[in-house]
Amino acid sequence: DTEVTQTPKHLVMGMTNKKSLKCEQHMGHRAMYWYKQKAKKPPELMFVYSYEKLSINESVPSRFSPECPNSSLLNLHLHALQPEDSALYLCASSLPSSGGAYEQFFGPGTRLTVL
Amino acid sequence: DQQVKQNSPSLSVQEGRISILNCDYTNSMFDYFLWYKKYPAEGPTFLISISSIKDKNEDGRFTVFLNKSAKHLSLHIVPSQPGDSAVYFCAARLDGGFKTIFGAGTRLFVKA
Repeated sequence: DTEVTQTPKHLVMGMTNKKSLKCEQHMGHRAMYWYKQKAKKPPELMFVYSYEKLSINESVPSRFSPECPNSSLLNLHLHALQPEDSALYLCASSLPSSGGAYEQFFGPGTRLTVL
Repeated sequence: DQQVKQNSPSLSVQEGRISILNCDYTNSMFDYFLWYKKYPAEGPTFLISISSIKDKNEDGRFTVFLNKSAKHLSLHIVPSQPGDSAVYFCAARLDGGFKTIFGAGTRLFVKA
């Protein structure tokens, strides 16, 4: 299984809502990532988990709250978002072992619209 | 500050010819460079990588060249096929870590 799955595919939420994005992989990867991608822009790193511990937080606002309950799952909890948070949210995973390029396997993304 | 730049938003190539996608970077601390391909409604897919200590890596129709003195890399696709039409992202990994920085992407059109 070389797939990263993300649910939901699309999400529309109001600024007062609480929602969660989910990501799952069964490749045995121990590093998992959240990226945000706006239209015609590159993916921007938000968070990295390594062995279920938060390794990188790229100064993301606290209205985004990541969670890694186990080695296969990654969640992104959303609360009190702003319209400018509307974007494609990509999850990725990679082997965290040393000496490699850490090529990442990406899911198809969740298209988020904040009204 | 864009550390990884892809200055050509799009490129059009005839089927069977060579496609050359370019990428420039500014940070000398990058230790690996990667190319990803992205089709609409899908996440990016890893294509090929190169270590900063190499100048060439080849995988089938795909070859990446690295010119460290010029801080420039390029992806060559030979021969180009219509199925190669996609957005190609150049990415660079910071030394030893998880942080990967992406360029803005180049949309490749391969005409049959």
